[in-house]
Amino acid sequence: AQTVTQSQPEMSVQEAETVTLSCTYDTSESDYYLFWYKQPPSRQMILVIRQEAYKQQNATENRFSVNFQKAAKSFSLKISDSQLGDAAMYFCAYRNYGGSQGNLIFGKGTKLSVKP
Amino acid sequence: GAVVSQHPSWVICKSGTSVKIECRSLDFQATTMFWYRQFPKQSLMLMATSNEGSKATYEQGVEKDKFLINHASLTLSTLTVTSAHPEDSSFYICSARDWGGRDTQYFGPGTRLTVL
Repeated sequence: AQTVTQSQPEMSVQEAETVTLSCTYDTSESDYYLFWYKQPPSRQMILVIRQEAYKQQNATENRFSVNFQKAAKSFSLKISDSQLGDAAMYFCAYRNYGGSQGNLIFGKGTKLSVKP
Repeated sequence: GAVVSQHPSWVICKSGTSVKIECRSLDFQATTMFWYRQFPKQSLMLMATSNEGSKATYEQGVEKDKFLINHASLTLSTLTVTSAHPEDSSFYICSARDWGGRDTQYFGPGTRLTVL
């Protein structure tokens, strides 16, 4: 069974600085997707970034980028120029490629605080 | 981006009554929807996978007679908590899989259920 581990329950960053959130996963599959979701205090889950395992290039979405290391099964999220609105819970998630179900497997989350 | 709505956002009911929560994909068709439960400061726990026109698939430990799921159309899935008890109080989140787009799950804003 696949598992996702986020080893940092809480992280803190100064506004305008850069922070990296860690995520590791375990799978025997070669094709899969990885995601980072953000859950602010409103509790609405928001997709931050998505990575296909077959792509070697790291995904980037504006200030958010990932460091995807397939061999090491590592998928970290880097937030540059942190803003107060980035404060939230961040969940790393895994999903098998294809299939009729496609449920997400979540890590336990990392609570990010942004200091002004 | 794809939008998923959920209604109601907050419901309070008496013990023993039933509560229905609706999940709608507003701008895409979702053959697969998912229902999650989230306890305070914890990650999302998958309850069941809902497929349009067929019976839902429940995760181990989830009572299917208590949490009735219906996915009657490509844009609507409902979760009915039957004979609710205080221990059913929680935050319930649905998501819909956008097969036609980027094959990504998009989440509803959640429903806070309080059973008195």
